[in-house]
Amino acid sequence: LAKTTQPISMDSYEGQEVNITCSHNNIATNDYITWYQQFPSQGPRFIIQGYKTKVTNEVASLFIPADRKSSTLSLPRVSLSDTAVYYCLVGLTGGGNKLTFGTGTQLKVEL
Amino acid sequence: DAMVIQNPRYQVTQFGKPVTLSCSQTLNHNVMYWYQQKSSQAPKLLFHYYDKDFNNEADTPDNFQSRRPNTSFCFLDIRSPGLGDAAMYLCATSIGTLNTEAFFGQGTRLTVV
Repeated sequence: LAKTTQPISMDSYEGQEVNITCSHNNIATNDYITWYQQFPSQGPRFIIQGYKTKVTNEVASLFIPADRKSSTLSLPRVSLSDTAVYYCLVGLTGGGNKLTFGTGTQLKVEL
Repeated sequence: DAMVIQNPRYQVTQFGKPVTLSCSQTLNHNVMYWYQQKSSQAPKLLFHYYDKDFNNEADTPDNFQSRRPNTSFCFLDIRSPGLGDAAMYLCATSIGTLNTEAFFGQGTRLTVV
């Protein structure tokens, strides 16, 4: 599976837009890019998934450039409750294949 | 309603005493995963099932075993827990096709004394 690289931590303030970038230089043709959010003492929660260009849902946007070697998770107007660890995963989801987590980014949102 | 249920939420076991953690799902998903997560670390995949097909990670210790008697249930057996096995254990499921998300349980926090 493609290895991912993310910043270890990021700090932000309430109301700001937060962009977390993930590098995945050896992404394969069939790989999707998926982001999960994890709060302390809880299981990870799916946020968004994409293959190319831009994907948007009620929670976040995912930007993927044409070469797909990186992706950016965008959280609009963060609040204190967005403080969590965000994981970028690259690879075939489901299909009996591995779902492997990278190191993740600890986002801390302050007032 | 919870779709992936892990029991118990907290488990205390003695050093060397076998312990079993359980996971059940109401989603009828084909794939079930077990992860170990230690403090301030990412979840580490131990093994997963696609239906009845078992896939063990190469670096998963032999001390960890798993059973999946039917679609809904999956168990993690730790034959001789050591202090280093204290962690959060997460169960997850997915349909098993491309472009699908995984659903995680709340986890079981294992303490070894």
